[in-house]
Amino acid sequence: GQQLNQSPQSMFIQEGEDVSMNCTSSSIFNTWLWYKQDPGEGPVLLIALYKAGELTSNGRLTAQFGITRKDSFLNISASIPSDVGIYFCAGNLYNNNDMRFGAGTRLTVKP
Amino acid sequence: KAGVTQTPRYLIKTRGQQVTLSCSPISGHRSVSWYQQTPGQGLQFLFEYFSETQRNKGNFPGRFSGRQFSNSRSEMNVSTLELGDSALYLCASSLIGSPYEQYFGPGTRLTVT
Repeated sequence: GQQLNQSPQSMFIQEGEDVSMNCTSSSIFNTWLWYKQDPGEGPVLLIALYKAGELTSNGRLTAQFGITRKDSFLNISASIPSDVGIYFCAGNLYNNNDMRFGAGTRLTVKP
Repeated sequence: KAGVTQTPRYLIKTRGQQVTLSCSPISGHRSVSWYQQTPGQGLQFLFEYFSETQRNKGNFPGRFSGRQFSNSRSEMNVSTLELGDSALYLCASSLIGSPYEQYFGPGTRLTVT
């Protein structure tokens, strides 16, 4: 089963608003990654984080690797309609190589 | 550079049958991982192959198996299909130096009736 708690489950926002979502776990992770999945497609890698405290941006997206290594957040600034989709956090546990995924945050952007 | 390709994109099978799905990784990627995605369980790791060897395995029954060929292409097989095997099966590839930056294919949508 999943060991990542991702929230919120869904968000309905107005175009131009900023968005924030996060993932938490009771376990320590070595990496945190954020993906976006559009209907009928596979997830697309947005940002990868490798160090506690690391803050990385990709255009309007910013993600951080929590200091405790048990959480991460993703921010999207000035949302646009094409930001619609499901965002997943993922990571690999410190003592395990396989990847774990959050349940996803479904984002809807109203024009 | 071409992305990860998966064939077929859609498949309908009946209970008890077996199925083989195929994945071609991005050129130069030698690690291939397989995932099952369902609305109820989300994305769950099946297994990972590197240099034709299974390097890691998730918590799935032995009916799920895979293999990797010398050109890094991979196949996964599910035998004795059950209704609960209906899912989107995703393949992801990665470079040796960045094993956790996985690039996904579009998936194979398997429906078991």
